[in-house]
Amino acid sequence: QQQVKQSPQSLIVQKGGIPIINCAYENTAFDYFPWYQQFPGKGPALLIAIRPDVSEKKEGRFTISFNKSAKQFSLHIMDSQPGDSATYFCAASTGYSSASKIIFGSGTRLSIRP
Amino acid sequence: GAVVSQHPSRVICKSGTSVKIECRSLDFQATTMFWYRQFPKQSLMLMATSNEGSKATYEQGVEKDKFLINHASLTLSTLTVTSAHPEDSSFYICSARDWGSGWDGYTFGSGTRLTVV
Repeated sequence: QQQVKQSPQSLIVQKGGIPIINCAYENTAFDYFPWYQQFPGKGPALLIAIRPDVSEKKEGRFTISFNKSAKQFSLHIMDSQPGDSATYFCAASTGYSSASKIIFGSGTRLSIRP
Repeated sequence: GAVVSQHPSRVICKSGTSVKIECRSLDFQATTMFWYRQFPKQSLMLMATSNEGSKATYEQGVEKDKFLINHASLTLSTLTVTSAHPEDSSFYICSARDWGSGWDGYTFGSGTRLTVV
């Protein structure tokens, strides 16, 4: 049972373009939605995260758009660069307790062409 | 920021032997740590949640006798793959919860590539 659905599986964008990665969830108990970036052979690193009380969050070139009613959220990368080429994972978590855990989406392999 | 160190980064072991992977929180105390498994070109699948001083909680389908988890201190959790077989070859990643960083307090290690031959 996939709790967080992510698309597309892979994405190729020209340098300077704006790749968009989409995620959807069913569990309305989720209340924390982070995005992670992972390079080959490395662990994931937190890029940006959002909670359901806001519809958008920007940090540098990265923007999360959040639609609570549709149970969807997306990542936009502005002015994309070849160095942004990596695998991106959306994720979700419930609550702020010792029982909370991060559940990952299936991942998007992003390639930025020079 | 919070740092999680994972060791070793790569390990090759013979089929039937056991291998231990360490996960340390370097600059914070982690009462909760997590172990994930990642196959090539796939997502991270949560294996278990490790709580300091208590038994780990395993996700459905994960063999607790196969993957032994010990969280004996506030900065160290270990994963032991017992009687390893080639199908256990994978990328294992730990994560630690830094409560001092609030909601963004999940920090991941750099992973361990296990190859069973």
